[in-house]
Amino acid sequence: GAGVSQSPSNKVTEKGKDVELRCDPISGHTALYWYRQRLGQGLEFLIYFQGNSAPDKSGLPSDRFSAERTGESVSTLTIQRTQQEDSAVYLCASSLEGVGGYTFGSGTRLTVV
Amino acid sequence: GENVEQHPSTLSVQEGDSAVIKCTYSDSASNYFPWYKQELGKGSQLIIDIRSNVGEKKDQRIAVTLNKTAKHFSLHITETQPEDSAVYFCAAEKDTPLVFGKGTRLSVIA
Repeated sequence: GAGVSQSPSNKVTEKGKDVELRCDPISGHTALYWYRQRLGQGLEFLIYFQGNSAPDKSGLPSDRFSAERTGESVSTLTIQRTQQEDSAVYLCASSLEGVGGYTFGSGTRLTVV
Repeated sequence: GENVEQHPSTLSVQEGDSAVIKCTYSDSASNYFPWYKQELGKGSQLIIDIRSNVGEKKDQRIAVTLNKTAKHFSLHITETQPEDSAVYFCAAEKDTPLVFGKGTRLSVIA
C-alpha cells in the first residue's frame, strides 16, 4: 500500500481481556517495528522484525506481550490479560532494512478500562 | 545501549521567529539521526535526517546540525508558521532500532 496501515485505530477493552493489533507495512519493506507511546511520553521500543524473524524482543514489557509477522508483510501484536498500564498508543513502522527512515502508521489507541 | 535526551520539552515561539530543538546521544557509534513530526491524526512523519558523515543538512525552512565530538544534534526551523505546531521527536541509531527522545511540543503563536 501507499503507507503503513494500522487497525483498529481505537480500541477500548476491559481489564483482563486479550487484544490483537494489526499492522500492514509498506509493500517491500523488509523491516517492521512496534513502539508504544504513553500519554505525553516518548516512543518506547517493543519489538522489530527483519523479514519474519524477530532478532530483538528485549523491549516487550512482559510475557503478556507477543508479536508475529507472516509473509514478510502483516504483523500482529497481541496483549493477553490486558492491564490498565497497557493503555497507550501502539505505533507500527516499516523501513527498507539498512536504509533508515522509518514510515509510521497512525497508531492504535488502546484504552483498558 | 543508546540513550537520547531531548530539550526543551515544550517550546512556544511567535510566528516568523526561529525554533531550535536540541538532542544529545550517548553512543558515539550511532550514525543515523532522523527527526519526526507528530500531529494528531497524521501519525509521525520523517521531516529530515542526517548521517554521521555530514555536519549539516537543509531542506527549505528546516535544517539539522550534527556535532559528533559533542554527541549532539539540533533541529532548526526558520520563519515558523502555525502549521509547524506539533510534537517533534529526535532519534539516533547505531544498530536497529531507532532510539527516540521524549519529544518537544512546539507551539507557534500567530
